[in-house]
Amino acid sequence: GIQVEQSPPDLILQEGANSTLRCNFSDSVNNLQWFHQNPWGQLINLFYIPSGTKQNGRLSATTVATERYSLLYISSSQTTDSGVYFCAVGSGSARQLTFGSGTQLTVLP
Amino acid sequence: KAGVTQTPRYLIKTRGQQVTLSCSPISGHRSVSWYQQTPGQGLQFLFEYFSETQRNKGNFPGRFSGRQFSNSRSEMNVSTLELGDSALYLCASSLSSGTYQETQYFGPGTRLLVL
Repeated sequence: GIQVEQSPPDLILQEGANSTLRCNFSDSVNNLQWFHQNPWGQLINLFYIPSGTKQNGRLSATTVATERYSLLYISSSQTTDSGVYFCAVGSGSARQLTFGSGTQLTVLP
Repeated sequence: KAGVTQTPRYLIKTRGQQVTLSCSPISGHRSVSWYQQTPGQGLQFLFEYFSETQRNKGNFPGRFSGRQFSNSRSEMNVSTLELGDSALYLCASSLSSGTYQETQYFGPGTRLLVL
């Protein structure tokens, strides 16, 4: 099956810093989503981005499908950005998402 | 529009028992998927239901089963619980309007502890 690798596994930043999270995948995809998992475990949708670039406030994402990677940018980090960020991909018509192992982001005040 | 809801939110069971978890999708969504999250294995796909039929299944033993009702609500059942079944169980829904991939929206999850 498709493999998803996220890097870095852990990231510690000072408030106000910028960061880039990376997601590599091993095959062509037609679904790619970025999630933020809150402390209670819920996965919050950030982006649905199988290709192209999107922006939402301080967050933006870019997926280069031909090169099989996606990047999540967080600018001017805030302590509330702390948590685990997951990349998940899907292919074909099945709704099955394959998740990466996540990036644990800690933003220090 | 209300999001995906899951009940119960927390559950404690003992080995050998069975458990049923419930998921109500976003209104109008017809596809419901279930995932298991553990510290060791991460997030893994269990199965997906559409129009009361299991459309896709992950690599889990037969003790894990599910069903979907005509109103798209779904339940999953785990029989003969093992300690390793302790996990966060997440449900996701999507419109499933065609053959295209779509955004999946997740519920808050059910935390199951098996003692």
